[in-house]
Amino acid sequence: EIVLTQSPGTLSLSPGERATLSCRASQSVSSSYLSWYQQKPGQTPRRLIYGASSRGTGIPDRFSGSGSGTDFTLTISRLEPEDFAVYYCQQSGSSPLTFGGGTKVEIK
Amino acid sequence: EVQLVESGGGLVQPGGSLRLSCAASGFTFSNYWMSWVRQAPGKGLEWVANIKLDGSETDYVDSVKGRFTISRDNAKNSLYLQMSSLRAEDTAVYFCARGGYSFADWGQGILVTVSS
Repeated sequence: EIVLTQSPGTLSLSPGERATLSCRASQSVSSSYLSWYQQKPGQTPRRLIYGASSRGTGIPDRFSGSGSGTDFTLTISRLEPEDFAVYYCQQSGSSPLTFGGGTKVEIK
Repeated sequence: EVQLVESGGGLVQPGGSLRLSCAASGFTFSNYWMSWVRQAPGKGLEWVANIKLDGSETDYVDSVKGRFTISRDNAKNSLYLQMSSLRAEDTAVYFCARGGYSFADWGQGILVTVSS
């Protein structure tokens, strides 16, 4: 099983700042099989990024994904008030599909 | 607009069974792999199972193998999860998701509580 470790656990930032979220895999993951999701309290998850760097439908361009192998990054260029949420990475390169434990982006 | 609506959740005793359903609309259901993903209260996301377009292939997380069965009815645009031998640790919100490997769209989720 591929274990995804997300860091930091919590990121405290102000609106307008840049957020950099990390996702490290225990084994190499093909870039084609790495996705990122956003979940706000009480809401359903929303896919932001698939294939490590492709934005989902309707996702603003302030969200970008990068990385390869075992190290992947989600960057939010300038935080908007609606971006404060929990973010999960997910791999689908091998079964079982697994999610990281999440990074909470909170208002500083 | 893609819509996924889960139903069938509720309170069940340990060892009991429950069948979840997911009604899909707004896309050609038979053209997509589908999945179930769950989230225990206050916890992260966990993939449960996926199923191929025609139902000919399925896969499960180890913790539910032999207890849960994913299925679909393309004529009814519906996805199912038959859950048996339920345990307290199966308590979670269960989401139906479009896609077998990356989840483009999600239902609102349905709560399953396993407790005596």
